[in-house]
Amino acid sequence: QKEVEQNSGPLSVPEGAIASLNCTYSDRGSQSFFWYRQYSGKSPELIMFIYSNGDKEDGRFTAQLNKASQYVSLLIRDSQPSDSATYLCAVSSSYKLIFGSGTRLLVRP
Amino acid sequence: SQTIHQWPATLVQPVGSPLSLECTVEGTSNPNLYWYRQAAGRGLQLLFYSVGIGQISSEVPQNLSASRPQDRQFILSSKKLLLSDSGFYLCAWNQGTDTQYFGPGTRLTVL
Repeated sequence: QKEVEQNSGPLSVPEGAIASLNCTYSDRGSQSFFWYRQYSGKSPELIMFIYSNGDKEDGRFTAQLNKASQYVSLLIRDSQPSDSATYLCAVSSSYKLIFGSGTRLLVRP
Repeated sequence: SQTIHQWPATLVQPVGSPLSLECTVEGTSNPNLYWYRQAAGRGLQLLFYSVGIGQISSEVPQNLSASRPQDRQFILSSKKLLLSDSGFYLCAWNQGTDTQYFGPGTRLTVL
């Protein structure tokens, strides 16, 4: 059973801080890694994807991938209350994506 | 640009009633289409996957079925709903890459 594990949270950070979200996966053959944001009652929206080991930055978001450790993370700099949501990690496996159960982030004003 | 639609947005159905949820994609041809279910506070469970008209792969055996009568139309059905079918149903598409894009979802409550 191929799995993606995330801490369910909630992860609570003050406004302006860095939020660090983590994800581990079991399928060593996975090639693509994704972070989605899901607001309560809404559908997931893509934040970032990463294919190669290392860091990928997009605005306030940085995705980090370490394939040897089977570990993906998402850093959110200068966290805002509008970043409060559930963050889903997804990993490619053959023709589909395997999703973690998500980490709930709460940014305190 | 591509857009994905789902309807209805919300649905309340009695146990044992039939179900039909529809998903359509605009602005692309021959997309891969997916149906997911998300139970309250849980992750996404892949239900069905389709690479083309009439081609359906089932991931989880259950009382649901899917059909793809047209290139950009994906339908999720059930003949008799169970209480356990309640959840948030999401349709997604991709084409040429692994990146999937989700529709707005249908919230189903079975009473």
